[in-house]
Amino acid sequence: DTEVTQTPKHLVMGMTNKKSLKCEQHMGHRAMYWYKQKAKKPPELMFVYSYEKLSINESVPSRFSPECPNSSLLNLHLHALQPEDSALYLCASSQEGQGERSNQPQHFGDGTRLSIL
Amino acid sequence: GNSVTQMEGPVTLSEEAFLTINCTYTATGYPSLFWYVQYPGEGLQLLLKATKADDKGSNKGFEATYRKETTSFHLEKGSVQVSDSAVYFCALNPGGGNKLTFGTGTQLKVEL
Repeated sequence: DTEVTQTPKHLVMGMTNKKSLKCEQHMGHRAMYWYKQKAKKPPELMFVYSYEKLSINESVPSRFSPECPNSSLLNLHLHALQPEDSALYLCASSQEGQGERSNQPQHFGDGTRLSIL
Repeated sequence: GNSVTQMEGPVTLSEEAFLTINCTYTATGYPSLFWYVQYPGEGLQLLLKATKADDKGSNKGFEATYRKETTSFHLEKGSVQVSDSAVYFCALNPGGGNKLTFGTGTQLKVEL
């Protein structure tokens, strides 16, 4: 059983819809991540939150809007998506690394499989 | 920059065969190295990790040794099972931040 919970597991939406993906962890981790994964590819980093503040945005289109309401929750708001945005969206969390020897593994949820019609 | 190179898949083995999945990396500083496994329809699970040279990570019969001299972190298992069929990702954290660099993944298929 994963310790990072993502909802919903599956989502089908039209290009004009607004929806949100949710992620929750109760491991006390202060870093949380959104990834996009296409079939047969590794995950691609989208956003990183550190202590509830956005620390990395990998030039993601503005139709994806992340939010971190508190240290346990992470949302990804979706609006006006394109068919090429269909993918598995993974949330992850980790302890914050200390200095150069940042060796904290990331713990992943099972993802939301998103299909854009 | 940082990069991870994994052997191309799919790798197809018979049950109880020996497994090696090669992983080499390029990084500056003191990277930490990880193997993640992704079963069909699931997210990534941490399989094992190593944080410094000569460390050996191990879990569920899988092992990998952090070899700084060859910049490698090859995954091995002595006797694979059908239930090991999955995609395996090698990854590194270069240190000083939260970004993981992933290899392309290697699909393993184990047959009876």
